[in-house]
Amino acid sequence: AQTVTQSQPEMSVQEAETVTLSCTYDTSENNYYLFWYKQPPSRQMILVIRQEAYKQQNATENRFSVNFQKAAKSFSLKISDSQLGDTAMYFCAFMKHEMYSGGGADGLTFGKGTHLIIQP
Amino acid sequence: DAGITQSPRHKVTETGTPVTLRCHQTENHRYMYWYRQDPGHGLRLIHYSYGVKDTDKGEVSDGYSVSRSKTEDFLLTLESATSSQTSVYFCAISGPGLASEQYFGPGTRLTVT
Repeated sequence: AQTVTQSQPEMSVQEAETVTLSCTYDTSENNYYLFWYKQPPSRQMILVIRQEAYKQQNATENRFSVNFQKAAKSFSLKISDSQLGDTAMYFCAFMKHEMYSGGGADGLTFGKGTHLIIQP
Repeated sequence: DAGITQSPRHKVTETGTPVTLRCHQTENHRYMYWYRQDPGHGLRLIHYSYGVKDTDKGEVSDGYSVSRSKTEDFLLTLESATSSQTSVYFCAISGPGLASEQYFGPGTRLTVT
């Protein structure tokens, strides 16, 4: 079984600052995927970024980037030029790769989340 | 946005009554999932489906059953609701291919009194 740990229950930064959310995971799998999801007050779960474990290059999506350290089992999210709309819960999630069925047939394992507050 | 709807969006029910939550997708995706979200726990997988009539248990399946008679619909049933099942329930779908992301419905807030 996999576990995902987010050690920062809450973080607060000023608008336009850069913030890094941490995530560590534990697994015996070699092929897997990692995700960051955002949950604003509307409750909708929104995919922010994903990383394939077999790729050494860190994923980026506009102001969002990750620092993926496979040996250390670490997957942090960096948000640059933070905006008020970035205020939300952020969840790190793990998915095992299913070679024959494709994708993550048995679902995501989530961390408990980090509440990020962007101050004006 | 992925075409996922959940019904009802809010429900209050009494302990011991049966409850069925519905997830409907218009994407024709193979995989469908039910999660629950509770404070301090993140989201946890209840059940998932990998095709019509093909389902399996997740991490917190006790007290829940599911059915999938059509590709587009995935039902979650609480046979006899308990107060510990008060939660927000999310449905998610995942498409074909490798590492398909999961896309989530808007959630159902269920309160068991």
